[in-house]
Amino acid sequence: QKEVEQNSGPLSVPEGAIASLNCTYSDRGSQSFFWYRQYSGKSPELIMSIYSNGDKEDGRFTAQLNKASQYVSLLIRDSQPSDSATYLCAVNEEGDYKLSFGAGTTVTVRA
Amino acid sequence: ETGVTQTPRHLVMGMTNKKSLKCEQHLGHNAMYWYKQSAKKPLELMFVYSLEERVENNSVPSRFSPECPNSSHLFLHLHTLQPEDSALYLCASSQGGAPDTQYFGPGTRLTVL
Repeated sequence: QKEVEQNSGPLSVPEGAIASLNCTYSDRGSQSFFWYRQYSGKSPELIMSIYSNGDKEDGRFTAQLNKASQYVSLLIRDSQPSDSATYLCAVNEEGDYKLSFGAGTTVTVRA
Repeated sequence: ETGVTQTPRHLVMGMTNKKSLKCEQHLGHNAMYWYKQSAKKPLELMFVYSLEERVENNSVPSRFSPECPNSSHLFLHLHTLQPEDSALYLCASSQGGAPDTQYFGPGTRLTVL
């Protein structure tokens, strides 16, 4: 059974600060890693994908992957109130259709 | 949100009713998925279809019956549901290659009375 673990939060950060979200996974065969953002009452929206060790930056978002330690993280720089949402970590194996999701970390950015 | 559409967006049904959820993807993808999302729980994969063939069924009760008539459409037929089936039902689609990225529809909020 593949497990994906996230701190449920809530993670409260002041506006303009960096929000740091962590995710660990149990399956060493995992090859693809995704971060989804889900606003309350809405569906998940893909914000980042990462496949190789290291950092990947996209605007204010940076994903970090360390396969040896089996963790992937998401940094949100210059946090805005609009970043307040639940962030879902998802992983899958190469060639596997199935995504395994974590339960999500709720982030609240206070103005 | 227009890439994957779902109807209805909200549904209230009694335990003896029969209803269907519809999903349509406009992305040219080959794989489609049904997920269930209950409060405070991880997304639960229910069914996976690849090129209209079911490839995954995660021990879902038979009161949920999927149908995939073509690669763009996916249905979830519901009958004799239980109150604990109340949840957000999400459809997703993906290309089916590697790596694969899933894109979600807006979901159907289902309430079973």
